[in-house]
Amino acid sequence: QVTLRESGPALVKPTQTLTLTCTFSGFSLSTSGMCVIWLRQPPGKALERLARIDWDDDKYYNTSLKTRLSISKDTSKNQVILTMTDMDPVDTGTYYCARMKNGLMDYWGRGTLVTVSS
Amino acid sequence: DIVMTQSPDSLAVSLGERASINCKSSQSVLDTSNNNHYLAWYQQKPGQPPKLLIYWTSIRESGVPDRFSGSGSGTDFTLTISSLQAEDVAVYYCQQYYSTPRTFGQGTTVEIK
Repeated sequence: QVTLRESGPALVKPTQTLTLTCTFSGFSLSTSGMCVIWLRQPPGKALERLARIDWDDDKYYNTSLKTRLSISKDTSKNQVILTMTDMDPVDTGTYYCARMKNGLMDYWGRGTLVTVSS
Repeated sequence: DIVMTQSPDSLAVSLGERASINCKSSQSVLDTSNNNHYLAWYQQKPGQPPKLLIYWTSIRESGVPDRFSGSGSGTDFTLTISSLQAEDVAVYYCQQYYSTPRTFGQGTTVEIK
């Protein structure tokens, strides 16, 4: 079955760089049409797209966060890595990775809460 | 980017009553080549990730109860819960997957009255 799991630090200091890893199973990111997307959700607020990587290594970023984000994949390890630089307290929230197939986010990880505080 | 706007932001409905959520897209999400509207709904229960509920406007994902239904065309869509159950308390999001970036509405919170 398809599973995704986010991992990374629960607490980062302002100005630091956040690195999150999405480890997945049950599908291959080499398969045509397959994508993995990162989203986040500040406490009590709506979902926000961050970045997406496709099977052919195409990458898409949230326009307003583009200068701070980088996404990459390690197909052999079934992992997608997201980095976000210059973290700020407003970046506090739950970060999710999800499988995207034909535009639909059909499987999600449980999310990881990241708090930005000194 | 296609902007998705949901209404209302929240609603409270009595158990067993009908709940309806609206979603409007800033431009058409209809693919005229296949006559499909690229509109999906997600349900997010407290403390959980979102779950895909409905796609192609009205197709329920496997395992979704039939009290959930989707409808609409053009730029206006509706998610209806025909008889609200306690386990339906959640935030519901619409999403268009017609164009990149795939965009979400701001969410509608459904509570029990």
